[in-house]
Amino acid sequence: AQKITQTQPGMFVQEKEAVTLDCTYDTSDPSYGLFWYKQPSSGEMIFLIYQGSYDQQNATEGRYSLNFQKARKSANLVISASQLGDSAMYFCAMRGANTDSGYSTLTFGKGTMLLVSP
Amino acid sequence: EAQVTQNPRYLITVTGKKLTVTCSQNMNHEYMSWYRQDPGLGLRQIYYSMNVEVTDKGDVPEGYKVSRKEKRNFPLILESPSPNQTSLYFCASSLKGAGGYTFGSGTRLTVV
Repeated sequence: AQKITQTQPGMFVQEKEAVTLDCTYDTSDPSYGLFWYKQPSSGEMIFLIYQGSYDQQNATEGRYSLNFQKARKSANLVISASQLGDSAMYFCAMRGANTDSGYSTLTFGKGTMLLVSP
Repeated sequence: EAQVTQNPRYLITVTGKKLTVTCSQNMNHEYMSWYRQDPGLGLRQIYYSMNVEVTDKGDVPEGYKVSRKEKRNFPLILESPSPNQTSLYFCASSLKGAGGYTFGSGTRLTVV
């Protein structure tokens, strides 16, 4: 079974500083994908960044980067130069195989609330 | 524009009154799924579908039904809603076996 753990219920950061949101995962699948989603107060789920289990380099998307440490089973999200608009809930998720049905399900952590202050 | 469209965005209903939340995607995705989001519990999968006429239970299927008669549509049906089904619901779709999921805007359901 897949499991995602986000140990930080909430994080505070000042504008323009960098912040790291932690995510660890557990899976027995050799092939999987790791995702981060942002959920602002309006409620929608916004895809931020993706890392494949076989990718050699850490994924980057603008101010977002994913610090992927496969041996430690961690996939931390780093936001550089935080902005007020980054205040939101952030979810780490993993896509892996369901060996029973062949369906690859998306499993979420419980999220980290990030608050960016001026 | 590639998207997943959920309707309605907000719904208040009474206990026991059947309702349907619609979900449609225009990306020809094989996979579709429904999640509910509750405070402190994150997102939990209700049902998923691998293709037309192929559906299966997720982690919290009790009290819900789905159907997949067409590839683009995946409605969520609550035959007899109860207050414990008050939640934020998301529909999502993806290509088979790879890539990320695209989420709808969510449906905030209140059952009184």
